[in-house]
Amino acid sequence: NAGVTQTPKFQVLKTGQSMTLQCAQDMNHNSMYWYRQDPGMGLRLIYYSASEGTTDKGEVPNGYNVSRLNKREFSLRLESAAPSQTSVYFCASTVREDLQGSNQPQHFGDGTRLSIL
Amino acid sequence: KNEVEQSPQNLTAQEGEFITINCSYSVGISALHWLQQHPGGGIVSLFMLSSGKKKHGRLIATINIQEKHSSLHITASHPRDSAVYICAVGHISNFGNEKLTFGTGTRLTIIP
Repeated sequence: NAGVTQTPKFQVLKTGQSMTLQCAQDMNHNSMYWYRQDPGMGLRLIYYSASEGTTDKGEVPNGYNVSRLNKREFSLRLESAAPSQTSVYFCASTVREDLQGSNQPQHFGDGTRLSIL
Repeated sequence: KNEVEQSPQNLTAQEGEFITINCSYSVGISALHWLQQHPGGGIVSLFMLSSGKKKHGRLIATINIQEKHSSLHITASHPRDSAVYICAVGHISNFGNEKLTFGTGTRLTIIP
């Protein structure tokens, strides 16, 4: 059982390049999230997807786009990378049992370390 | 926006000591989470609680909703407990799922 899988694990980009970070979970979770983690700061939410077909902005969405491709996969795209987007990116997923049901703890991927020169 | 404050930022202790990490937040929440991040970077959920106290092995988490405060305790600490411990508070989005706001973490080092 792989849990949450992120690819790639490491990437170096030049300013202005684009790339997509991939995330897939095999736990049949309905909610998925993208975070960034920067030194001295807590994890910050970039975008989330409450269920297949829905996405919404988090705290720091500027410069990013997302796609919830299906229930398993949630990708994060940097259209024109900037040095300020150098960070470690984490994908997470969880299950909400039903519309009135409780949320469960989030499961995290191992992270993608992204450097933009 | 909920502010999440953790203390201390760094903590070094001898093996066997009792450890306490504190977390305070500013507005009402759906739940409070404690997570562990090891030097390799992976993040694991330890506890999710909305009231009272939970225990798992040598780890205990408590929350006081009225005071907006939570503590994570580690009994009989061991070098393998060395990690960053992160407090996060949840709020329910318009879609019904929980969104987390994170503290900056407490770096714990246990010396043999």
